[in-house]
Amino acid sequence: DVKVTQSSRYLVKRTGEKVFLECVQDMDHENMFWYRQDPGLGLRLIYFSYDVKMKEKGDIPEGYSVSREKKERFSLILESASTNQTSMYLCASSLRAETDTQYFGPGTRLTVL
Amino acid sequence: GEDVEQSLFLSVREGDSSVINCTYTDSSSTYLYWYKQEPGAGLQLLTYIFSNMDMKQDQRLTVLLNKKDKHLSLRIADTQTGDSAIYFCAESINGGGFKTIFGAGTRLFVKA
Repeated sequence: DVKVTQSSRYLVKRTGEKVFLECVQDMDHENMFWYRQDPGLGLRLIYFSYDVKMKEKGDIPEGYSVSREKKERFSLILESASTNQTSMYLCASSLRAETDTQYFGPGTRLTVL
Repeated sequence: GEDVEQSLFLSVREGDSSVINCTYTDSSSTYLYWYKQEPGAGLQLLTYIFSNMDMKQDQRLTVLLNKKDKHLSLRIADTQTGDSAIYFCAESINGGGFKTIFGAGTRLFVKA
């Protein structure tokens, strides 16, 4: 079974704080993704990575950065959190581009006060 | 542009069949997926279908694909209260890279 874990289920931060969201997968997947989920908007892709140290912007990268130093770990960084970044953040991984089936972590609900 | 659309809400009675519909715009999609999200949880892959298939059945789940109309549906037979969740339709586009586009999700409410 594929396992994707996220460092926190719930997180509360203050405006201006630096926030790290960690994601780890244990199946040697090449691709990893960060999405945010907001009511009525579905899932929106923030960044994805197809290899160690490689990253590509998704649909809404502004205000976020990512880091992939090891294959199993993909971090999402909010350099200076703002209230409009309050959301559910979902990490996913997939084995190869040609299968594309993405497996999701449980999500991190981030609240920025 | 690429888009996946689905209705936001569906209500059924326990024991009835549920049909959740989805339309997509990109004809180069290779895989189409249905994910389930229960309250407070992440997305769980329910099933997927290759774009060259018309139908796939897996126990209570039946996926129908009409490629001509770009219409995908998920039928849940004998719907139970435990099926109450948000169901996401997604398409995978393979055009020199890869991209998965998700719909906004259909909230299924099962009345006891």
